[in-house]
Amino acid sequence: EDKVVQSPLSLVVHEGDTVTLNCSYEVTNFRSLLWYKQEKKAPTFLFMLTSSGIEKKSGRLSSILDKKELFSILNITATQTGDSAVYLCAVALLPGANSKLTFGKGITLSVRP
Amino acid sequence: NAGVTQTPKFRVLKTGQSMTLLCAQDMNHEYMYWYRQDPGMGLRLIHYSVGEGTTAKGEVPDGYNVSRLKKQNFLLGLESAAPSQTSVYFCASRDRLAGGASSSTDTQYFGPGTRLTVL
Repeated sequence: EDKVVQSPLSLVVHEGDTVTLNCSYEVTNFRSLLWYKQEKKAPTFLFMLTSSGIEKKSGRLSSILDKKELFSILNITATQTGDSAVYLCAVALLPGANSKLTFGKGITLSVRP
Repeated sequence: NAGVTQTPKFRVLKTGQSMTLLCAQDMNHEYMYWYRQDPGMGLRLIHYSVGEGTTAKGEVPDGYNVSRLKKQNFLLGLESAAPSQTSVYFCASRDRLAGGASSSTDTQYFGPGTRLTVL
């Protein structure tokens, strides 16, 4: 059975801290890994990763994939209260025609002023 | 360009009642999905469609039916609602794959959600 596990399940930090969110997966026929941010409404897309070792970056957020060890991390530097959200990790499998996503349970991040 | 929209935003049903949730997308996407999200459970796929006139079961399809009569719309039906179907329902859409895994088309775009309570 395909599995996506995120850790920790919840995290409380103070503004300015750096956080690392983890996502590990056990799936057959890996195609890509995606990160979403969800703030009480629709999940919004952050990154899609397909190759090991290539960092994707957007402002204070960055993410990297390790296909050998089967995990990804999402880093947020200099956190702000607006970063408070649930962060979802999902894996897309081959064959890609249906490309269903298997989601982890999410990590709830709370950033305190 | 509205993206993915869902109606209604909120609904309260009594056990045994039926209802239909509507998802519409204006991005000309081939694939559409219905998920439910429950506390501590993440997003779970109910049904999906890979094109107009086609539907398929996801992870938790029992108690739900779907139809995709038009490419831009994906309907989720509850024939006889049960309290276990109390949840937030999200619709998503995705474009057809255009190339290899390096393309961005695994990305699904989500609607704002429908909060359904079944009493």
